[in-house]
Amino acid sequence: DQQVKQNSPSLSVQEGRISILNCDYTNSMFDYFLWYKKYPAEGPTFLISISSIKDKNEDGRFTVFLNKSAKHLSLHIVPSQPGDSAVYFCAAKRKTSYDKVIFGPGTSLSVIP
Amino acid sequence: GAGVSQSPSNKVTEKGKDVELRCDPISGHTALYWYRQSLGQGLEFLIYFQGNSAPDKSGLPSDRFSAERTGGSVSTLTIQRTQQEDSAVYLCASSSNRLNTEAFFGQGTRLTVV
Repeated sequence: DQQVKQNSPSLSVQEGRISILNCDYTNSMFDYFLWYKKYPAEGPTFLISISSIKDKNEDGRFTVFLNKSAKHLSLHIVPSQPGDSAVYFCAAKRKTSYDKVIFGPGTSLSVIP
Repeated sequence: GAGVSQSPSNKVTEKGKDVELRCDPISGHTALYWYRQSLGQGLEFLIYFQGNSAPDKSGLPSDRFSAERTGGSVSTLTIQRTQQEDSAVYLCASSSNRLNTEAFFGQGTRLTVV
């Protein structure tokens, strides 16, 4: 039973345009969400997070939106750059407990110059 | 060290042999996670340590897999009688005692069972 879902395995975007990566979760107990980026042959690196008390968090070109009622979050990258090409993992956990972080299957983003 | 360190970076082993993978977390991080990523797949949770204890071992695929952590620091993941389906990148991550902090990953160990 996949608790964190990323239904798009891949996404291609033109350089300079907006990239939107989507994520859905099923466990209503999750209240802290993270996005990680992974380049080939490297470990995932933390990108941005959001707590369930917020519906938006912005860091430079990266913005995460959270819709709790829909159990949906999205990562917006604008403007997209070729260096953003990577696999993006959505992750979730319960903030108030020492629970494991559950990852989605990832979305491979290609930014075309 | 400054980051999470994993060794070896690559390991090729024969089917049926045992392997040991090592993870050195960031100093002071009490939470430690093992994940694996098979070819074309996402991150599969294996086991989670809080200090030296493992409150969640639910992701270990079989009894051939075990892990331990000593001194609240280094962790080893052991796979006995390796099978070809064990081939994957094994990733270790650690996080601090703060509940809402992100986990930092090592570069992984690429295990190939031939």
